[in-house]
Amino acid sequence: EVQLVESGGGLVRPGGSLRLSCAASGFPLSSYNMHWVRQAPGKGLEWVASINSASSYKYYADSVKGRFTISRDNARNSLYLQMNTLRGEDTAVYYCAREAIDFDFWGQGTLVTVSS
Amino acid sequence: FILTQPHSVSESPGKTVTISCTRSTGSIASSYVQWYQQRPGSSPTTVIFEDDQRPSGVPDRFSGSIDSSSNSASLTISGLKTEDEADYYCQSYDISSQVFGGGTKLTVL
Repeated sequence: EVQLVESGGGLVRPGGSLRLSCAASGFPLSSYNMHWVRQAPGKGLEWVASINSASSYKYYADSVKGRFTISRDNARNSLYLQMNTLRGEDTAVYYCAREAIDFDFWGQGTLVTVSS
Repeated sequence: FILTQPHSVSESPGKTVTISCTRSTGSIASSYVQWYQQRPGSSPTTVIFEDDQRPSGVPDRFSGSIDSSSNSASLTISGLKTEDEADYYCQSYDISSQVFGGGTKLTVL
């Protein structure tokens, strides 16, 4: 069974940092491009970042470029999102998602709250 | 580019509803459109991929299409059921980014 489980969310002060993890199981992570997508409370979905299977291509939304870094460890079946210089507008549930033709599997999400 | 959806739609059970998704720049046909359903408290799930394809397990009441003349994609749900009440998002991409529409809240009343 394919599973994606995010962790690492929590309360952080503006300007702070947080590292999210996404543990993949039930499929070879190395075969898939992966993404982070976030959803602010009561708002819609926003794509955050993507990484290809070999980590040779990484793309970011303009809203997080220069502050967030996506990475992966295929040997550990894990995806990561390092978030620095966090702002209030980064408050959201962060989902990791697997890219097939679509985003065919999503985790349950981890909540990041940026507040003083 | 931006994908624009209506904020909300409502219809009665048994009826048909169509949700639009208009692409701001570039051709709607230049990259596939997906549609996701998100129920409260749950992660999104795919109801349509590659413009008009249904994943296994999605009822054939769900259909998708694109219209180059209006540069838009559409999700049509026929024979509405109360369980279809949810938020629906269109999604497409370009070479370096993924784009979601703002989402449409479907109310079945």
